[in-house]
Amino acid sequence: DGGITQSPKYLFRKEGQNVTLSCEQNLNHDAMYWYRQDPGQGLRLIYYSQIVNDFQKGDIAEGYSVSREKKESFPLTVTSAQKNPTAFYLCASSTGQLPPYEQYFGPGTRLTVT
Amino acid sequence: GEDVEQSLFLSVREGDSSVINCTYTDSSSTYLYWYKQEPGAGLQLLTYIFSNMDMKQDQRLTVLLNKKDKHLSLRIADTQTGDSAIYFCALLQGNQGGKLIFGQGTELSVKP
Repeated sequence: DGGITQSPKYLFRKEGQNVTLSCEQNLNHDAMYWYRQDPGQGLRLIYYSQIVNDFQKGDIAEGYSVSREKKESFPLTVTSAQKNPTAFYLCASSTGQLPPYEQYFGPGTRLTVT
Repeated sequence: GEDVEQSLFLSVREGDSSVINCTYTDSSSTYLYWYKQEPGAGLQLLTYIFSNMDMKQDQRLTVLLNKKDKHLSLRIADTQTGDSAIYFCALLQGNQGGKLIFGQGTELSVKP
């Protein structure tokens, strides 16, 4: 069964702690993306990676970090420097080399920081 | 920067047609997309249109693109209660490796 998995579905952390969100895909896609979604807003791009061992900042990268050591995995770390980390985080992947870059999304992780 | 605008809510009766609208500012976008999000879930790609097309039809879905007015619409024929969801339009930013910019989403409510 091909797809994108994100774990966990719900995550609770105390302020000041770093937390890592998992994203795995078995679609053999080259490109992977992390988005943040806040209530009543569209998705905003945090980081994206078009190929293993390479990634670029999106529009709201401050306070986040990523790695892309394997094609199928693109974990996102929310650091204590992120001022407002509570949000719904979505991971996506696409074939990546040429348009139309059809992006397939995982089910999301809802992070709550108190 | 690029701006993508959608109205926030739309309510229709089951069996009617729904039309969800999207306006944008960057006319250089080559691909424009429609995604569907059900409560608490990820996004599902419904369809996309290349910028040199005016219309694309896929079963109950019709996409219309007016490049002159920078207006994109999604028509859902014979709307069902299962179509209730949030619909996002998105634009490809230049050719920068799949960077999409999203509208804020339109919540479609289908009443029986």
